[in-house]
Amino acid sequence: QAGLTQPPFASGSPGQSVTISCTGTSSDIGGYNYVSWYQQHPGKAPKLMIFEVTKRPSGVPDRFSGSKSGNTASLTVSGLQAEDEADYYCSSFAGNNNLVFGGGTKVTVL
Amino acid sequence: QVQLVESGGGVVQPGGSLRLSCVASGFTFSYYGLHWVRQAPGEGLEWVAVISSAGSDKFYAASVKGRFTISRDNSKNTLYLQMNSLRVDDTATYYCVKGDTLWWTFDYWGQGALVTVSS
Repeated sequence: QAGLTQPPFASGSPGQSVTISCTGTSSDIGGYNYVSWYQQHPGKAPKLMIFEVTKRPSGVPDRFSGSKSGNTASLTVSGLQAEDEADYYCSSFAGNNNLVFGGGTKVTVL
Repeated sequence: QVQLVESGGGVVQPGGSLRLSCVASGFTFSYYGLHWVRQAPGEGLEWVAVISSAGSDKFYAASVKGRFTISRDNSKNTLYLQMNSLRVDDTATYYCVKGDTLWWTFDYWGQGALVTVSS
């Protein structure tokens, strides 16, 4: 099972928005609504930011939002802040009790 | 609050074995599926294995199937990963991860245990 495809880098100025794409296939993203997004700061464990495509866990700012169209999911961070600078990973259930991750996107706040 | 604390990492030679443990607290351990997810140095995340709440169902990534065994002891709130026939490309930080009610959302992560496979 191949991994999901993310752009390696994304950036934006404080207050701007940045959108990260995550492309899969009809066997993963396109077939299920179990897409999640994780934020990872250097040297830290990942943190859940979005689950089931669009849902935000308690405590995650509403500046973070998720969506999906066909085989591509997206994470949008609005009103960028310095603390949003991190690596972001998407994941999707891929059937047959298997899960795939994207390769990660490093977000830089300019 | 939910806490997941891994232990057992270290340096092992290729072909060797190692067992990771993860002690959990802050939630009803026996209610949830649990996962291991790994991250090679400077690389992305890779799902490794999942075990059901009762321990009766276990599933593995193709890269570790037949070499790794996931297990749990609900009386001790502890998750395990037995790793045999270790290879250099198994070198990674291994995270213990709690699944949500539908397993495939990873809502809490441990701090990770580093496993280095090297001669």
